[in-house]
Amino acid sequence: DADVTQTPRNRITKTGKRIMLECSQTKGHDRMYWYRQDPGLGLRLIYYSFDVKDINKGEISDGYSVSRQAQAKFSLSLESAIPNQTALYFCATSDPWRENTGELFFGEGSRLTVL
Amino acid sequence: QQPVQSPQAVILREGEDAVINCSSSKALYSVHWYRQKHGEAPVFLMILLKGGEQKGHEKISASFNEKKQQSSLYLTASQLSYSGTYFCGTEIRAYNTDKLIFGTGTRLQVFP
Repeated sequence: DADVTQTPRNRITKTGKRIMLECSQTKGHDRMYWYRQDPGLGLRLIYYSFDVKDINKGEISDGYSVSRQAQAKFSLSLESAIPNQTALYFCATSDPWRENTGELFFGEGSRLTVL
Repeated sequence: QQPVQSPQAVILREGEDAVINCSSSKALYSVHWYRQKHGEAPVFLMILLKGGEQKGHEKISASFNEKKQQSSLYLTASQLSYSGTYFCGTEIRAYNTDKLIFGTGTRLQVFP
């Protein structure tokens, strides 16, 4: 099983619908992240959390919210989806002290299409 | 603020060499390199730290010029498995992975 698991892997929805993307990890890492990937734009940080009580906005947080339900779970919500939120979303974890690097461990990605 | 990668795309034959560059306008603490194969998640290749330390999992070499705020990834004797999109990510402070900013990527295609 993957160390960082995202669900769903693919989702098609309509404008205005509420969508939740879920991420769970078995690596025991404190730090978790949500990134968005668009063609030609690379990976952009949406939200990050350094522990259960610590949630922070990234560079493109508008239109998104998150919940850190436990150390192992970090969910991303789109309260009212719009077409320009169509993208590939990645969850990632890191633990610079445990892993001895700032390496990010990515989930397999969730492809979201908003019609 | 986003690091600039060059070239945007590279096409190679097996066995040929390539260099991918990453340049930042800010003073850097570290540079990360990741490779993403089509339809898959990015995978960590290495991190280069200020002061010359390198940490990585693969036999791919890279350099980090702190004064010029530039890093280069060297792919020698390329193999088909090297195909994918390469991203650099830059940090301006130690362990500040929340401030890790990725470049737009360099697409590498290796043909037989």
